Amino acid sequence: QSVLTQPPSASGTPGQSVTISCSGGNANIPDNYVYWYKQVPGTAPQLLIYNSNKRPSGVPDRFSGSKSGTSASLAISGVRSEDEAIYYCGVWDDSLRGSVFGGGTKLTVL
Amino acid sequence: QVQLVESGGGVVQPGRSLRLSCAASGFTFNDYGMNWVRQPPGKGLEWVALISYHDDDQSYQFYGDSVRGRFTISRDNNNNRLFLQMNSLRVDDTAMYYCAKGSGGGSGYLPDFWGQGTLVAVSS
Repeated sequence: QSVLTQPPSASGTPGQSVTISCSGGNANIPDNYVYWYKQVPGTAPQLLIYNSNKRPSGVPDRFSGSKSGTSASLAISGVRSEDEAIYYCGVWDDSLRGSVFGGGTKLTVL
Repeated sequence: QVQLVESGGGVVQPGRSLRLSCAASGFTFNDYGMNWVRQPPGKGLEWVALISYHDDDQSYQFYGDSVRGRFTISRDNNNNRLFLQMNSLRVDDTAMYYCAKGSGGGSGYLPDFWGQGTLVAVSS
């Protein structure tokens, strides 16, 4: 059971907007930066969002992150076939004194 | 560019030990915290350990509950290397182990770059 809860799956048709949620608790999301990663099976994860809402260079502005209270979200606008992957949220947990990841959300582009 | 290359994985019997290594390049190694993150076959990411870096030249180690007391993370700042000493290995330690650069020096900064991983299989 992950400290962070994500839906196991999400889907959208090309061009649609998709949002993936990440639900945590008082010891993690409210006072710490949320990170989002994309992982294509068989490859290493890559950073999509850091500091809750910032994009590394090279990540398209179709990807955006936000947080409110004990929850965070990753929004993908104009989803494309190459966005098919598993998406993970992550954050530091002050109570556990360690990083925690969500269970991952598999995005399918129909 | 940032490069992280893991080594040391393999097949090991339960109860035995293994030491993973990660060679880092392309950034100022001692300015950043470094992590190990693992992923069991077909499952999600599990954070294993962090060794942080601070301005006072101190480093601090943090561990996930499932490995605390069995695994030890360390770093060699002179040679830009990260290590994970894994003792008392269990079958459920079987996973791909990723070396991952922190996005900052201290705790609270999750990884911003990952190596390709080294596979550890614990089996009798």
